[in-house]
Amino acid sequence: EVQLVESGGGLVQPGGSLTLSCAASGFTFSTYSMNWVRQAPGKRLEWLSFIGSSSTTIYYADSVKGRFTISRDNAKNSLFLQMNNLRAEDTAVYYCARDLITGGHWGQGTLVTVSS
Amino acid sequence: EIVMTQSPATLSVSPGESATLSCRASQSIGRNLAWYQQKPGQAPRLIMYGASTRAPDFPPRFSGSGSGTEFTLTISSLQSEDFAVYHCLQYKNWPMCTFGQGTKLEIK
Repeated sequence: EVQLVESGGGLVQPGGSLTLSCAASGFTFSTYSMNWVRQAPGKRLEWLSFIGSSSTTIYYADSVKGRFTISRDNAKNSLFLQMNNLRAEDTAVYYCARDLITGGHWGQGTLVTVSS
Repeated sequence: EIVMTQSPATLSVSPGESATLSCRASQSIGRNLAWYQQKPGQAPRLIMYGASTRAPDFPPRFSGSGSGTEFTLTISSLQSEDFAVYHCLQYKNWPMCTFGQGTKLEIK
């Protein structure tokens, strides 16, 4: 069974940094591309970033480009999202997801709150 | 950026009846559209992709149609477990993709 478990969320001050992790199991992680998606309170889901299976292909949404960095460690079956210069509008539940289009495997999400 | 607009924002329907949810794209996206269901406190679940290909976890009472800029998700014979928020997702320029703002399907 595909399992994705996010961690690393919490309360951070504006301008601060946070790194989210996503532990994958139940599939051969190194052969799948991965995504980060977030959902701010009362807002629509927002795709943030994509990383190919070997990390050679990476994309970001304009809203986070230059501030967020996606990465992965295939040896540890883990996906990461480093978030810098956080703003109040980055407050959201952050999900890692595999196969957004055909499989729809998502974790349960981790809450990030940006507030002073 | 392709903007997705869902309507209505909230739809009140009685169990056993049918519900029709709409999603409009700001430009043509072919059939590059997926639908997700989300219940409170849960991650979204994929219902449909390619506008009309149903994911294995969902029964035939869920059907999708449309192409270009206009899409519809129809749920017939609504069951209690179908009441949730539904999101559309366009992926014309995958992996860059955008979601609609969601339609809340509530019990009338």
